Amino acid sequence: SQKIEQNSEALNIQEGKTATLTCNYTNYSPAYLQWYRQDPGRGPVFLLLIRENEKEKRKERLKVTFDTTLKQSLFHITASQPADSATYLCARPPGNNDMRFGAGTRLTVKP
Amino acid sequence: NAGVMQNPRHLVRRRGQEARLRCSPMKGHSHVYWYRQLPEEGLKFMVYLQKENIIDESGMPKERFSAEFPKEGPSILRIQQVVRGDSAAYFCASSPGRSGRVGPANEKLFFGSGTQLSVL
Repeated sequence: SQKIEQNSEALNIQEGKTATLTCNYTNYSPAYLQWYRQDPGRGPVFLLLIRENEKEKRKERLKVTFDTTLKQSLFHITASQPADSATYLCARPPGNNDMRFGAGTRLTVKP
Repeated sequence: NAGVMQNPRHLVRRRGQEARLRCSPMKGHSHVYWYRQLPEEGLKFMVYLQKENIIDESGMPKERFSAEFPKEGPSILRIQQVVRGDSAAYFCASSPGRSGRVGPANEKLFFGSGTQLSVL
């Protein structure tokens, strides 16, 4: 079956360091991947989309890579801040019509 | 522009009652998606609708659950005869869609703040 998996359930890092989150997919070759941020008690908020022909995409302190050989996307937050603490979800477009989400990685940035 | 509006924010039901969750998409959006989320779990797709049409309900339980998106008014997710296992956060998302085409197709989803359903 087509799967999208985020390896780490939780990641704790020190303020100022770079956080790296991993998203792997199997039995599928998505045309693009999306990354969302979700805060407790709130709905996810879209952050970035990266297409299969793009190696890297940046937005302020965020960077996403897409490696179709490894079937993996990496999500980086540089110069992390406590306000970056949240759950980050990767999502792939459907085989059909919906967007499928990974279980998420809960990031905690400690001051 | 108002975002995706979901109500109620919290809903408490006793076993056997009906739960009706409402979602008003962003202005101009014609595609609505419903997801369910349990604590410490990811979002699970339930159903995808366009105005007056169910496009994909492959994630929705066959019994007790139904969804609609009428020509006028919000999308409704209806759960009949609720059981304790239905307790979860239910999120609605919308996207603009493109005329004559289905699917997100590079479109980002805009989510509401969710309805937390608690079944006693």
